[in-house]
Amino acid sequence: AQSVTQLDSQVPVFEEAPVELRCNYSSSVSVYLFWYVQYPNQGLQLLLKYLSGSTLVKGINGFEAEFNKSQTSFHLRKPSVHISDTAEYFCAVSDRNTGRRALTFGSGTRLQVQP
Amino acid sequence: GAGVSQSPSNKVTEKGKDVELRCDPISGHTALYWYRQRLGQGLEFLIYFQGNSAPDKSGLPSDRFSAERTGESVSTLTIQRTQQEDSAVYLCASSPGQASNQPQHFGDGTRLSIL
Repeated sequence: AQSVTQLDSQVPVFEEAPVELRCNYSSSVSVYLFWYVQYPNQGLQLLLKYLSGSTLVKGINGFEAEFNKSQTSFHLRKPSVHISDTAEYFCAVSDRNTGRRALTFGSGTRLQVQP
Repeated sequence: GAGVSQSPSNKVTEKGKDVELRCDPISGHTALYWYRQRLGQGLEFLIYFQGNSAPDKSGLPSDRFSAERTGESVSTLTIQRTQQEDSAVYLCASSPGQASNQPQHFGDGTRLSIL
């Protein structure tokens, strides 16, 4: 079984400030890790993914995330946010090894960028 | 368009009625997923189709929920005798193959409201 915990339901931040959205996961098997963004009334869009290799992953829109196996974390960061980054962010995992293909999602973090 | 298409975008119906939601995946994508997103929550997996294999129905919450897919094309999700707790956004996603490291591409969802 897998679970994903996003520790902050809402994160308010001022424009041009740095931000970190936290994600921790629990799994009995190895996983792949993903961050998705959801703008209002839209579906989810992939920001970045960790499959293997370097633990620092760069994605679209200036976001990056670091996989920490010992802490089972995959926190999302951006050094300077814009108003347009206001959205819901979801961390998700999928199973590397077994037949289950579906993603397991966290409950989401709403990023609110203020001018 | 090149993305995942879902219809209708919004559906309002009375408790007890049946509803049918439609998903057109990206052309050539063999894998198709349905998820449910309740207000303020993450996505819950419902069902997964891969080519002509038997679908993974492990996420369907009750026998009122069913889904079909013809080959690698359109899928329909049917909810019979709708209940108020069925109110949610229903998201469809597709991916090029069955490997769990392949990112899923999401449609904009169908917002279902049960009166």
